[in-house]
Amino acid sequence: EADIYQTPRYLVIGTGKKITLECSQTMGHDKMYWYQQDPGMELHLIHYSYGVNSTEKGDLSSESTVSRIRTEHFPLTLESARPSHTSQYLCASSERVAGGGETQYFGPGTRLLVL
Amino acid sequence: EDKVVQSPLSLVVHEGDTVTLNCSYEVTNFRSLLWYKQEKKAPTFLFMLTSSGIEKKSGRLSSILDKKELFSILNITATQTGDSAVYLCAPNYGGSQGNLIFGKGTKLSVKP
Repeated sequence: EADIYQTPRYLVIGTGKKITLECSQTMGHDKMYWYQQDPGMELHLIHYSYGVNSTEKGDLSSESTVSRIRTEHFPLTLESARPSHTSQYLCASSERVAGGGETQYFGPGTRLLVL
Repeated sequence: EDKVVQSPLSLVVHEGDTVTLNCSYEVTNFRSLLWYKQEKKAPTFLFMLTSSGIEKKSGRLSSILDKKELFSILNITATQTGDSAVYLCAPNYGGSQGNLIFGKGTKLSVKP
């Protein structure tokens, strides 16, 4: 089982502030992901990375940005937080398994509230 | 357009009942299908299915995939209150690297 960590777990912040959500995994997985999930709604992929120096936007448009300078670290940044950014942000990493496909493991999530 | 449809969206049963959760999908370059259980926080992995007709089993949970008809089912027998959660289906699809697309989930409530 992968160990994947997210900080902070909860964040309440004012409009216009810059924030960085941290995500780290210790399993050496190349692929990492950020998902956004509103209460009771489905997960949406907002960013992913295939490895160091690789980042791609997901299927849900997001004003956030990501970076991947180290394999284990995949931080997400909002330059200027707005109330519309209030949501839960889930980080995941994945490993390939025999037979094709991958298994994703999720971090505990960061619940963000922008006032 | 790639899509995943889970049914029912919500289900209330009593302890001891057996439930079947459905997932149908339409994705390009299908690779595998994953089931997750999500309680109040992040999803936890249950199964990954890659081949049709081969049942995966873990305790009271089992799942099977039909790649011809593009669906999967998740069965839970002898349900317990601890099974109450949202169950998510996610096909893994796409090019050489692949990604997951998640359904809205089935919210299962098990009453004592």
